[in-house]
Amino acid sequence: DAGVTQSPTHLIKTRGQQVTLRCSPKSGHDTVSWYQQALGQGPQFIFQYYEEEERQRGNFPDRFSGHQFPNYSSELNVNALLLGDSALYLCASSLDLGANVLTFGAGSRLTVL
Amino acid sequence: DQQVKQNSPSLSVQEGRISILNCDYTNSMFDYFLWYKKYPAEGPTFLISISSIKDKNEDGRFTVFLNKSAKHLSLHIVPSQPGDSAVYFCAATYQGAQKLVFGQGTRLTINP
Repeated sequence: DAGVTQSPTHLIKTRGQQVTLRCSPKSGHDTVSWYQQALGQGPQFIFQYYEEEERQRGNFPDRFSGHQFPNYSSELNVNALLLGDSALYLCASSLDLGANVLTFGAGSRLTVL
Repeated sequence: DQQVKQNSPSLSVQEGRISILNCDYTNSMFDYFLWYKKYPAEGPTFLISISSIKDKNEDGRFTVFLNKSAKHLSLHIVPSQPGDSAVYFCAATYQGAQKLVFGQGTRLTINP
């Protein structure tokens, strides 16, 4: 049973570019959340998707947007990349909207030059 | 505003001894707490959790203690094994929050 899968695993972009990260939730999970983990820090909540809608959002600018598809997979888009966007982006899935325990993917490491 | 804090960036423990990782929080609304373990190049893995209605939860070698009055929780690992070497994150949430708030992590190294 595959857990949470994310792609790509690594990518390098330059300032001002746009990036799309992808996530497939664990089988049976319908809720997807995205977290940003900067070097030496804990993961920070970006937003959560359920039933193809953004349900909750953390303290991130509108340059960060997302989408959830009917098969529960999700995308994270970041526009106008800044150097400070360099981080590990973690996708997590859960059984439902109120579940406390999240299952995380291995992440997509983004480097902005 | 760091609502969940892990003040020890690193901890080194002898194999077979007890490892104690600490976590403090400031938000009184938090009512559910979790510990995650992270190996390099892997995502965080859920380890153990505790609800605010309890003060202790045990799962094998892992025990989490919650002191609500002090807004403090700790994770005890007994006995520590080399495979326990990882970064440990404390996280907290509350009913309806729909998100986890993480601490900065503590790197645990178990020495043979």
